[in-house]
Amino acid sequence: EAQVTQNPRYLITVTGKKLTVTCSQNMNHEYMSWYRQDPGLGLRQIYYSMNVEVTDKGDVPEGYKVSRKEKRNFPLILESPSPNQTSLYFCASSLTGFMNTEAFFGQGTRLTVV
Amino acid sequence: GDSVTQMEGPVTLSEEACLTINCTYTATGYPSLFWYVQYPGEGLQLLLKATKADDKGSNKGFEATYRKETTSFHLEKGSVQVSDSAVYFCALTGVTGGGNKLTFGTGTQLKVEL
Repeated sequence: EAQVTQNPRYLITVTGKKLTVTCSQNMNHEYMSWYRQDPGLGLRQIYYSMNVEVTDKGDVPEGYKVSRKEKRNFPLILESPSPNQTSLYFCASSLTGFMNTEAFFGQGTRLTVV
Repeated sequence: GDSVTQMEGPVTLSEEACLTINCTYTATGYPSLFWYVQYPGEGLQLLLKATKADDKGSNKGFEATYRKETTSFHLEKGSVQVSDSAVYFCALTGVTGGGNKLTFGTGTQLKVEL
């Protein structure tokens, strides 16, 4: 089954404790991206990757890091989480960019930073 | 930059009622337009899309027409069901960002009651 898998689904952590949210897709997609969803703000792009070793900032990259060492994986790293990073996070992938090919989303990771 | 404005929710309807969710956009050139749906506890799924002016996207009884003159992409359904209860997001990809970003509206929650 074609899917984007995120882990964990739920995470509560403390301020400053490094964490990684994993994202994996099994569709051989070139393009992957991370979004955060906040009430009243919709989804905002954090980072995206057009292929292995190619990443770029989205609209809200501060406080986040990403890497793309393999085509299927695109982890999101919070080196020193803060309470304002409490949010619902989604990973998405598509064959190429979002203009012409469908975006597939993971089920989301709800992160709480206390 | 690009932006999407959609009507505030929640929208509460009785089963078999007509639905319209308004969406307008601001973008350079000719963006591609999308409606995504998010069911409770799940990631976003593509509902329909349109890539050029006057195109009509349709799926599962939902329709939306790309209106360049009014920069709108309103979502419509003639008879809603309880199973349509979800959050609906209007989105676009445009020249800004080279098709590498989906710009979302804030989402409209739909509740359909018996």
